[in-house]
Amino acid sequence: GDSVTQMEGPVTLSEEAFLTINCTYTATGYPSLFWYVQYPGEGLQLLLKATKADDKGSNKGFEATYRKETTSFHLEKGSVQVSDSAVYFCALLTGNQFYFGTGTSLTVIP
Amino acid sequence: DAGVTQSPTHLIKTRGQQVTLRCSPKSGHDTVSWYQQALGQGPQFIFQYYEEEERQRGNFPDRFSGHQFPNYSSELNVNALLLGDSALYLCASSWVGSQMPNYGYTFGSGTRLTVV
Repeated sequence: GDSVTQMEGPVTLSEEAFLTINCTYTATGYPSLFWYVQYPGEGLQLLLKATKADDKGSNKGFEATYRKETTSFHLEKGSVQVSDSAVYFCALLTGNQFYFGTGTSLTVIP
Repeated sequence: DAGVTQSPTHLIKTRGQQVTLRCSPKSGHDTVSWYQQALGQGPQFIFQYYEEEERQRGNFPDRFSGHQFPNYSSELNVNALLLGDSALYLCASSWVGSQMPNYGYTFGSGTRLTVV
């Protein structure tokens, strides 16, 4: 069945460091791929998305490229800030259903 | 423009009891999906409602049931609560008429259910 596997955390980085959170997926069709962010006590906020192979999603300095050949959608940011501290979820949407990874907790220290 | 509203925000129930969670979709949205997020896990799809009917269902037992009202709001009911039902329950609304993936899914802040 469809599923998402993402890098386990927690991840702790210093401010201005480079961030990579790995995400790979398994899907029978042609899913859309997403990164969601969850701050403490809150719901999910869409960070970025890509709808087909080779698409690059970007938002707030975060980027991810839909790689069909490696079934991956890794999240990157060149310089993280303390305000980026949150839990990040990789997800795929197929039909009417999201499949989420288990989440990666990121803490950025000043 | 109000987003997705869920109530209550927190509640505590005893094993064996029944619980009802409520969701008001974002204005203009006509479809509601429910997800269960256990502590330290990603959300898992419970079911989706459209036109007052269950459109799709995930791998959850029949103890989980739902309803959608003519105004598109929705309820999630869980019977015979188990300790393992303790989780954050998220509601997401969308508009079936959207053409692009993500279809404007908007998530609520969730209801934290604790079963003791």
